[in-house]
Amino acid sequence: GQNIDQPTEMTATEGAIVQINCTYQTSGFNGLFWYQQHAGEAPTFLSYNVLDGLEEKGRFSSFLSRSKGYSYLLLKELQMKDSASYLCAVRGPYGGATNKLIFGTGTLLAVQP
Amino acid sequence: DSGVTQTPKHLITATGQRVTLRCSPRSGDLSVYWYQQSLDQGLQFLIQYYNGEERAKGNILERFSAQQFPDLHSELNLSSLELGDSALYFCASSGGTGDGETQYFGPGTRLLVL
Repeated sequence: GQNIDQPTEMTATEGAIVQINCTYQTSGFNGLFWYQQHAGEAPTFLSYNVLDGLEEKGRFSSFLSRSKGYSYLLLKELQMKDSASYLCAVRGPYGGATNKLIFGTGTLLAVQP
Repeated sequence: DSGVTQTPKHLITATGQRVTLRCSPRSGDLSVYWYQQSLDQGLQFLIQYYNGEERAKGNILERFSAQQFPDLHSELNLSSLELGDSALYFCASSGGTGDGETQYFGPGTRLLVL
């Protein structure tokens, strides 16, 4: 089966650091993506992890532990514009010749002044 | 701007009707994916096409169908519409189906069934 869990909502303060966790149980794994989605808009790609460890990209970092079925997205120096939903998505096994993504329900982050 | 275009942006129709949503992938991308996002659910994968061929199916209803044309644009057809079909429908594209292929999403079509 496929199960991806994220907290529903989080609140953080402008300038601070926030960590959004994602745990997954999927039949096959071939990579984990994080997307940002503002209300009513398209998801936009933030990061991709396929090997264990930390990937850093400016103010955003993403970590993966395949043995624990766990990932987190770290946002530093929070800005008001970071208020959005953050979606964790797992890519299925490559052998099936598909690149479909299974998404979690998303974490709605509110950044406060 | 992801380079993926979708039309129309908004669609209002009645139960029982049929609609067609259109998607043009980024230049050079061969794979197109369709997702549905309703208020109480996350993004749900519907179907994937790669270079004109169906590649993967998700929880797509039998009332829904899709195709990808030789110019690589794709259409999602929704028929016998029900109130519960009201949702945002996103199209995404990627170069192929290889490891690490990032999917880029279009702006979506907001469908309201009355």
